[in-house]
Amino acid sequence: DAKTTQPPSMDCAEGRAANLPCNHSTISGNEYVYWYRQIHSQGPQYIIHGLKNNETNEMASLIITEDRKSSTLILPHATLRDTAVYYCIVTSGTYKYIFGTGTRLKVLA
Amino acid sequence: DAMVIQNPRYQVTQFGKPVTLSCSQTLNHNVMYWYQQKSSQAPKLLFHYYDKDFNNEADTPDNFQSRRPNTSFCFLDIRSPGLGDAAMYLCATSTDTWQGNQPQHFGDGTRLSIL
Repeated sequence: DAKTTQPPSMDCAEGRAANLPCNHSTISGNEYVYWYRQIHSQGPQYIIHGLKNNETNEMASLIITEDRKSSTLILPHATLRDTAVYYCIVTSGTYKYIFGTGTRLKVLA
Repeated sequence: DAMVIQNPRYQVTQFGKPVTLSCSQTLNHNVMYWYQQKSSQAPKLLFHYYDKDFNNEADTPDNFQSRRPNTSFCFLDIRSPGLGDAAMYLCATSTDTWQGNQPQHFGDGTRLSIL
């Protein structure tokens, strides 16, 4: 079973920040949090990952709570092309991603 | 650009007729994965190769097999496809993830239809 829980769907206005939450209350100390997104008919696209500290790259920011039991992916200025299913995955060095149900983000014009 | 390439993007086969899906990578990653994604569901890992070492998931049906002749290529063989095997098949690669801090890179998948 997936170790993460995400809301099934969210809407966001174009140009606004999209904040996608993920609960991973059973995360272990050596497990990383990964975020991917999947646009229709394409493979999952890597966005960002982190262990303890907040991370930022050209696509997004990842905020991990101090107790590491939850995280938030932030898309700072959502565009229509950000409409996708977003997956939060918790994994250690076991070569195994267990995908949860993800959040279907719809960016509205 | 370095990438993971899956061919073909769409594959149609007949019920019970063996089919092979292919994946190639230019990333020189030592780990390769195959996932199955059924309609409106999340991807599910079938198996992975760590170099030439094959690792099957416990619940992967025997009908699914894989070959990795070299670092760059990996194949998914479905010996006798059933209607329930219609799905998107995703290939992914990564470097050694023993620390868990190397992302997987996915191809765009092959959508398999069974007639």
